[in-house]
Amino acid sequence: EVQVVESGGGLVQPGGSLTLSCAVSGFTFSTYWMNWVRQAPGKGLEWVANINPDGSERRSVDSVKGRISISRDNAKNLVYLQMNSLRGEDTAVYYCLAWGDVNYWGQGTLVTVSS
Amino acid sequence: DVVLTQSPLSLPVTLGQSASISCRSSQRLISSDGNTFFHWFQQRPGQSPRRLIHSISHRDSGVPDRFSGSGSGTDFTLKISRVEAEDVGVYYCMQHTYWPHTFGQGTKLEIK
Repeated sequence: EVQVVESGGGLVQPGGSLTLSCAVSGFTFSTYWMNWVRQAPGKGLEWVANINPDGSERRSVDSVKGRISISRDNAKNLVYLQMNSLRGEDTAVYYCLAWGDVNYWGQGTLVTVSS
Repeated sequence: DVVLTQSPLSLPVTLGQSASISCRSSQRLISSDGNTFFHWFQQRPGQSPRRLIHSISHRDSGVPDRFSGSGSGTDFTLKISRVEAEDVGVYYCMQHTYWPHTFGQGTKLEIK
């Protein structure tokens, strides 16, 4: 059975930091591009960052560049999203997405940036 | 960034009738290798999104054949024939020919 499970969300103050984790099982993790996609409350979908199968290529959107970074551990089937200098506009449900011939989405983890 | 513009943004449909969603891209989405990385997603209320259609017109596994995708260049269409109650939700087009990957604004399908 395929599982994609995000964790690490919560309430954080503006300027604070948070690390999201995504644990996967049931498919060959090391062959998939891994992605983080977010959805602000009541809004649409926004691609945040992605990383290629061996971790040598990472990309993030301009609105988070320098503050948010993606990484992965293929030995542990984990992908991370390190988020620093968080702002109110980063408040969203963050989804982990495995992209391949088949897509696998997690259930999402809510990050709330507020004082 | 590539802007994807969907229409309509709200789509009331009678059960059993057909529905169509348009997505227009600000740039042609054909890549240097000739592929067009354009897809459709469905997000049912309270659920994570799921991909319905990849590469313009190929249904993902488990997607009913009531869903079909078409188009080329900058204009793409998702058609849903014989709409059922389980089709309620928001539909997004998405491209990953260019970075950053981008989604359309979403089209909310509801039953009349």
